[in-house]
Amino acid sequence: QKEVEQDPGPLSVPEGAIVSLNCTYSNSAFQYFMWYRQYSRKGPELLMYTYSSGNKEDGRFTAQVDKSSKYISLFIRDSQPSDSATYLCAMNVEYGNKLVFGAGTILRVKS
Amino acid sequence: DTEVTQTPKHLVMGMTNKKSLKCEQHMGHRAMYWYKQKAKKPPELMFVYSYEKLSINESVPSRFSPECPNSSLLNLHLHALQPEDSALYLCASSQDIGRVIAGELFFGEGSRLTVL
Repeated sequence: QKEVEQDPGPLSVPEGAIVSLNCTYSNSAFQYFMWYRQYSRKGPELLMYTYSSGNKEDGRFTAQVDKSSKYISLFIRDSQPSDSATYLCAMNVEYGNKLVFGAGTILRVKS
Repeated sequence: DTEVTQTPKHLVMGMTNKKSLKCEQHMGHRAMYWYKQKAKKPPELMFVYSYEKLSINESVPSRFSPECPNSSLLNLHLHALQPEDSALYLCASSQDIGRVIAGELFFGEGSRLTVL
């Protein structure tokens, strides 16, 4: 079993839709949870990070962490074609120096 | 724009060639990383340098040789590579190894390597 599971998609939605991206994990020691966005042929860029459980909102993006279920989500409201990219979840333990990435979900927002 | 700069953006090399990938950051970060990413896969950690010293080598074959000449520069020397080493090589930096837990890992745009 992989430490972090993420559906690779592709996920195709119409412009303006609410998008839900998810990851599950098995290591209960993970404390830091991140979402990266990666456009084709570019490096990953950090979108959101959350410590432990709870929600965090930044503009159209909301990150949720449910440690009891070992489940994290990224919601994108009013999705735009420019949101089309691969979204990678990543996690780390306390004082860790090695991110564990999910496989990435390909998102396509159609205009 | 990313503040981690990688050169070259594209590299094609034969299996007997020797080449190098270069990475530079001017954010004052003291930890630098090399990742390898194959198509449709997540990045895989290769090496970590902290304060210019190699702190993590993820059992990478010796045909990949990292070097950190100073706190702003990171090189990856390539020799006798195999076609399966073709991938996107990503450099990243963070303020120090501890701060990577805050997700403050900044990636460059990568060097796309093709080995013939």
